Amino acid sequence: AQSVTQPDIHITVSEGASLELRCNYSYGATPYLFWYVQSPGQGLQLLLKYFSGDTLVQGIKGFEAEFKRSQSSFNLRKPSVHWSDAAEYFCAVGGTSGNTGKLIFGQGTTLQVKP
Amino acid sequence: DTAVSQTPKYLVTQMGNDKSIKCEQNLGHDTMYWYKQDSKKFLKIMFSYNNKELIINETVPNRFSPKSPDKAHLNLHINSLELGDSAVYFCASSQVSGSTQYFGPGTRLTVL
Repeated sequence: AQSVTQPDIHITVSEGASLELRCNYSYGATPYLFWYVQSPGQGLQLLLKYFSGDTLVQGIKGFEAEFKRSQSSFNLRKPSVHWSDAAEYFCAVGGTSGNTGKLIFGQGTTLQVKP
Repeated sequence: DTAVSQTPKYLVTQMGNDKSIKCEQNLGHDTMYWYKQDSKKFLKIMFSYNNKELIINETVPNRFSPKSPDKAHLNLHINSLELGDSAVYFCASSQVSGSTQYFGPGTRLTVL
C-alpha cells in the first residue's frame, strides 16, 4: 500500500541550529516526492520536489532534501533554522502509478523554534 | 492576483444545512483537487478533476458533490452537513495530472 511516514510528530530546535525532518515512503512505482510547509492558519506552500535526476534537491527558504531510494526516504534539511521556520511540515508522495495526480501525505511534523 | 483562491475562508453552519465552497485558479492548469484536513492535521484527497472530468473520487460520502463549470473552477457542495464534516478543506491545482500541486489558503468549515 502507498503510504508516507513522518516519524517525528513534534520537533523543537534552537534558532540557528541545524534541522532534519524525516520522511519515509512506501510506493510501488517511481515516486514523485514533495515537501510542503503550512504556517498557522495558512495554506500549503511547496518547499521543494523530487521527480528525477540529482537526488539532492534545493528548495525555497534555504531548505534541501535528499532522496535515498535504498532507504525509501526523503529527509528535509536546513543548516540554520530561523524563528520564522516554525510551522507544520508535510512530506507527500505522488507519481507515475495511474498518473492520477493523487498525493499521499504524511502526518506532518510540527516544528517549534526556540529563541 | 492569488494563484489558487477559495471562498469563503471560514464557514460556520448548523448540522443538516447545505453549503458550498468555491475554488478558482488563474494558473491555466488543467487539473484541480479537493483535500480535507482533519483536526489532527491529516490531509487526504477527496476529488480530482482534469479538464472538467472527474478522475479521482476517494470514497467520499454522496453528500459531497464536486462541480467543475470550467477548467479554472472547482466547487464543492455539501448536503446535510454533519459534525464530522468539520475540517479545513483545501483546493489545489496542477498543470496536468501528476505534476506539482499548488494549494489554496483553505476553508475552515465548522458544523455546530
